[in-house]
Amino acid sequence: EVQLVESGGGFVQPGGSLRLSCAASGFTVSTYYMSWVRQAPGKGLEWVSVVFSGGTTHFADSVKGRFTISRDNSKNTLYLQMSSLRPEDTAVYYCARSSNGGTDYWGQGTLVTVSS
Amino acid sequence: QPVLTQPSSASASLGSSVKLTCTLSSGHSSYMIAWHQQQPGKAPRYLMKLDRSGGYDMGSGVPDRFSGSSSGAGRYLTISNLQSEDEADYYCETWDSDTQVFGGGTKLTVL
Repeated sequence: EVQLVESGGGFVQPGGSLRLSCAASGFTVSTYYMSWVRQAPGKGLEWVSVVFSGGTTHFADSVKGRFTISRDNSKNTLYLQMSSLRPEDTAVYYCARSSNGGTDYWGQGTLVTVSS
Repeated sequence: QPVLTQPSSASASLGSSVKLTCTLSSGHSSYMIAWHQQQPGKAPRYLMKLDRSGGYDMGSGVPDRFSGSSSGAGRYLTISNLQSEDEADYYCETWDSDTQVFGGGTKLTVL
């Protein structure tokens, strides 16, 4: 059974850093597109970043230069390192797996709150 | 990159059918999309992938009350025999080379 379990969310002050983790089971993360998608309170879904199976990474303009995405194949885990956090980064962050043109599994999400 | 346009809201009566719309922007009418359901307070759930010919791949455990269709730039999600648990936000999603794109979502109210 495919499962994605996020962790690492919490409360952080503006300018701070946080690392999110997404532990995967039931498949191998390195063979799929793995994304982070966020949802601000009361808003829609917003793509944040992706790492392709070949290792190439891409970021939304809103987080470029501040966030990095990585994976640990030995732990079958996806990460999102977030720095220079802003209040507008406050959101639930979801880990997602994509294959054949679309997302087919979602994690349960982890809440990140950026506030002074 | 493509833009996905969804009506912000829709409503239909319990036991009836509703057809939700996701429209691809000009020049992107051949794109495959995915539909996702997000019930209140929950994570999104994958429903189906839908290609330009109307063929679709259903997610695991998705009731057969859910079906998809396509016409030109439109991608549609039809829910038959509406149940109270179908009241949710519905998002469409696509990919454009290195970018994932979401529609703004449609809030479905079951009357």
